[in-house]
Amino acid sequence: SAVISQKPSRDICQRGTSLTIQCQVDSQVTMMFWYRQQPGQSLTLIATANQGSEATYESGFVIDKFPISRPNLTFSTLTVSNMSPEDSSIYLCSVTDRVPPYEQYFGPGTRLTVT
Amino acid sequence: DAKTTQPNSMESNEEEPVHLPCNHSTISGTDYIHWYRQLPSQGPEYVIHGLTSNVNNRMASLAIAEDRKSSTLILHRATLRDAAVYYCIRTYSGGGADGLTFGKGTHLIIQP
Repeated sequence: SAVISQKPSRDICQRGTSLTIQCQVDSQVTMMFWYRQQPGQSLTLIATANQGSEATYESGFVIDKFPISRPNLTFSTLTVSNMSPEDSSIYLCSVTDRVPPYEQYFGPGTRLTVT
Repeated sequence: DAKTTQPNSMESNEEEPVHLPCNHSTISGTDYIHWYRQLPSQGPEYVIHGLTSNVNNRMASLAIAEDRKSSTLILHRATLRDAAVYYCIRTYSGGGADGLTFGKGTHLIIQP
């Protein structure tokens, strides 16, 4: 298993600004993922954060809006850029086991409100 | 496309068994069936997974149909703490770890 922490746990931001969310894992992991959970909705995968290479983004998500860094095997950041109220969501990171069935472990999430 | 179908919500009484169904009629032979749950104000947590055979762990049991087109998560004795959204997810085992595709899940309500 893995223990994941995220910072900040919540924030209220003004439109047009950017927020960087940090994800820290207590062990070295190859695969890290970022998800978004809009109010009352399920989770949607934003991107896969690869150590040493560019993140891989899902359809509908672009690097300019959600730049991701992965400087080492225990840490990643997601930036929500030029925020609008539609970006108000919970943002979660997760990591996965290296072997099948690739169980995933999730952080507690960052609750973002954009005013 | 989540590729699984679950009822939007179910209600049960405390200390009674709960059977949560999931339909995955297009499942392939290499897909695992995972169940995660999300308690209020928390990230999802793993519950159980299976491939072909029924599975048991300390949290739940997973009954998989013989044709693998459906499965049922069984909570043997529900408690108030089991109130959560339960997600049934297919994962592809052959290509390495991928991000999960969440459907809408089943909102389980437990009455005291």
